[in-house]
Amino acid sequence: GAVVSQHPSRVICKSGTSVKIECRSLDFQATTMFWYRQFPKQSLMLMATSNEGSKATYEQGVEKDKFLINHASLTLSTLTVTSAHPEDSSFYICSARSGASFENYGYTFGSGTRLTVV
Amino acid sequence: LAKTTQPVSMDSYEGQEVNITCSHNNIATNDYITWYQQFPSQGPRFIIQGYKTKVTNEVASLFIPADRKSSTLSLPRVSLSDTAVYYCLVGTPNTGNQFYFGTGTSLTVIP
Repeated sequence: GAVVSQHPSRVICKSGTSVKIECRSLDFQATTMFWYRQFPKQSLMLMATSNEGSKATYEQGVEKDKFLINHASLTLSTLTVTSAHPEDSSFYICSARSGASFENYGYTFGSGTRLTVV
Repeated sequence: LAKTTQPVSMDSYEGQEVNITCSHNNIATNDYITWYQQFPSQGPRFIIQGYKTKVTNEVASLFIPADRKSSTLSLPRVSLSDTAVYYCLVGTPNTGNQFYFGTGTSLTVIP
């Protein structure tokens, strides 16, 4: 099936610094990618929709100036957590829309990034 | 956007068949039903997808009744490694529509 690579898998940063997370579609082009956040014992919460070549669409309550999304190519979307604080510590997961040629037609997920802000 | 409802948790003994049902009453004509498995600190992993009737692959079966308002994921002879959270998602894959996750079903397999 379609494969999405997410990097890094784990990152620890100091409060006030910025962290960038990359999401790549390896064997397909993804005009649309999605970013989710997941807190312990909870479901995935959609943060934003990333469209190649245009501005991201953020869900209600998600600060667009804090969570910067760039989708500069058909295979790469990045999420930058700016001025990170301990409450931003979470598990971040990206997803890319895969085409009908794949068994998992629709949405393929990355392996996630565990962000810890100290 | 079709909302899904699943049992929050289920327990099963090793070797038994497990059936997890998902309700999606307002499913749209072009929507597919996709099931994902998630282990702690990992991204959701695709299990199976279907549009109608029955779909089977090497790990699971998916049963979809004619009205498509529900679906059942069937895991044959579960093992301890099947302990995970299972999510049912409904959506139209060939659009940019978002997928919103429901609560998922936390399956615990008991020795």
